[in-house]
Amino acid sequence: DIQMTQSPTSLSTSVGDSVTITCRASQSISNYLNWYQQKPGKAPKLLMFAASTLQSGVPSRFSGSGSGTDFTLTISSLQPEDFATYYCQQGYSNPYTFGQGTKLDIK
Amino acid sequence: QVQLQESGPGLVKPSETLSLTCTVSGGSISSYYWSWLRQSPGKGLEWIGYIYYGGNTNYNPSLKSRVTISEDMSRNQFFLTLRSLIAADTAVYYCARGEGVLSDYYYGVDVWGQGTTVTVSS
Repeated sequence: DIQMTQSPTSLSTSVGDSVTITCRASQSISNYLNWYQQKPGKAPKLLMFAASTLQSGVPSRFSGSGSGTDFTLTISSLQPEDFATYYCQQGYSNPYTFGQGTKLDIK
Repeated sequence: QVQLQESGPGLVKPSETLSLTCTVSGGSISSYYWSWLRQSPGKGLEWIGYIYYGGNTNYNPSLKSRVTISEDMSRNQFFLTLRSLIAADTAVYYCARGEGVLSDYYYGVDVWGQGTTVTVSS
């Protein structure tokens, strides 16, 4: 199985800050990397696919990059609605595994 | 827009079989990967499997011996059967729609149901 490791596990930030979350795959997954946002009690929401392509309707303050094994999700100018948990997922090979999540909370 | 809704029992006994239904509205299940995933505090988000292109399936190897995903296109529903339940199967179960290129998830999982909590306990 491909292991997905996110860092940091949690992050205390403020509205207006920029944050970067890192996701590392245990082997190369090309750009088969998806990012999700999850709020308490809700299902995950797809933010980005193919490492850097924004899902329709997602604000442009979200951006992604990376290829191979190392990927980043950047949120510029955090808004109150961005405080949530973020997950990466590799879509490259079965089983399609997720990172353990990065929780953003308000400082 | 496409919406998904899970239904099924909230409590199941160990060693028994879980059966969940996902009803799809606003679109046909004739394409895309109709998927099941689950989430528990201990194991995080876990992909279970999917059904696509008229009955083809793809399962997580760790669950493959206990899982069946099937569909009823006439009712726009797909189903999860998980056998020989253990306490570690306690989780929130999600049905979802995914898309890829060659049996992968290149385009991610873009539509999710609200999730249904399943507890395995006697």
